[in-house]
Amino acid sequence: SAVISQKPSRDICQRGTSLTIQCQVDSQVTMMFWYRQQPGQSLTLIATANQGSEATYESGFVIDKFPISRPNLTFSTLTVSNMSPEDSSIYLCSVALLADTQYFGPGTRLTVL
Amino acid sequence: GQQLNQSPQSMFIQEGEDVSMNCTSSSIFNTWLWYKQEPGEGPVLLIALYKAGELTSNGRLTAQFGITRKDSFLNISASIPSDVGIYFCAGPLTNTGNQFYFGTGTSLTVIP
Repeated sequence: SAVISQKPSRDICQRGTSLTIQCQVDSQVTMMFWYRQQPGQSLTLIATANQGSEATYESGFVIDKFPISRPNLTFSTLTVSNMSPEDSSIYLCSVALLADTQYFGPGTRLTVL
Repeated sequence: GQQLNQSPQSMFIQEGEDVSMNCTSSSIFNTWLWYKQEPGEGPVLLIALYKAGELTSNGRLTAQFGITRKDSFLNISASIPSDVGIYFCAGPLTNTGNQFYFGTGTSLTVIP
């Protein structure tokens, strides 16, 4: 497995502002992903963070709302832009170390007022 | 999108009891994964299954990859209070690369 850390662990933000979440892995990985988990719900994939190219977004998620950076093989950021209360969720990064297996960070709990 | 249905949705059991939960899909999966998520934490991988019919154990946990490749089962024997959490099945659909789908979750409460 890998050690995955996220910053911040939680935050409370005002409507209309933006928050950038960082994900750091202790080893180089090819595939990194960002998920959203709304209160009491399962996980939904937001996008695949590609190193050296633009992220690949899933249906219902757009780059303007969730810009992603992947400057190297151990780090990625997800920004939640122009936030509204509906963006209140847990945001999780994950990495794929083995084929068809993903490991998750501890998550960032976001509350938007 | 693809829906993985888990049942039961929630369970309240006495410490020491065995637990069974399952996950079903209308589509075929090549891999089934089982995760546990505790409050305030990210999901932790418990068991990975890669072959239809495979039966794999991890301590008191046993999971099986259904032979139809459309379902999977997780059993926990002799439950203890620290088993409390939400259990998710997950996996990539065939030919979708790393796009993972997650089940609806089974919430487990163990009463001491």
